[in-house]
Amino acid sequence: GQNIDQPTEMTATEGAIVQINCTYQTSGFNGLFWYQQHAGEAPTFLSYNVLDGLEEKGRFSSFLSRSKGYSYLLLKELQMKDSASYLCAGPSGNTGKLIFGQGTTLQVKP
Amino acid sequence: DAGVIQSPRHEVTEMGQEVTLRCKPISGHDYLFWYRQTMMRGLELLIYFNNNVPIDDSGMPEDRFSAKMPNASFSTLKIQPSEPRDSAVYFCASSFTGGGRTYEQYFGPGTRLTVT
Repeated sequence: GQNIDQPTEMTATEGAIVQINCTYQTSGFNGLFWYQQHAGEAPTFLSYNVLDGLEEKGRFSSFLSRSKGYSYLLLKELQMKDSASYLCAGPSGNTGKLIFGQGTTLQVKP
Repeated sequence: DAGVIQSPRHEVTEMGQEVTLRCKPISGHDYLFWYRQTMMRGLELLIYFNNNVPIDDSGMPEDRFSAKMPNASFSTLKIQPSEPRDSAVYFCASSFTGGGRTYEQYFGPGTRLTVT
């Protein structure tokens, strides 16, 4: 079967660092995606990992371990505008479709 | 490119009425996806197309839902008759393939449907 698991909610303080974890079980691994979704808006693409290791993009980084079926999104120097839902998604084989997790709602407090 | 375009942005209708949602994918993308999102169920894939052909409609809740893609630049999702439990945000997304990998999907702004 295919499954994506991530925590439902997290809270962090402005200026801090937060790590959002994701574990996955997909058939025919073909990369892992992270999306950000602000309340009332559409999901927007953040990052894609296909090889093990850390990919850095400014304040956001994404990590992948294929052997452990594990990924995380790291947000540094948190800002209030980072309050959003973060969705982890994995391809379903080579079908072209993505399996999305339920999303982690991050609340950044002053 | 203008991104994925959806219309209408908001739709309020009465139970039993027909609802048609529209989507224009990003030019050059060969995959188109229809999703539904609610607080209770999260983001659900309803149906997706590749090169205008429906590939998997197993997520369509029931026969009241239908989707078409008559050409590469237009798709519709129709609900007939609509019911209050269909109230949700409906997203259209598109992506392209190449190099043997799955590419990121780009989402439209969504249609917020309320059925009273």
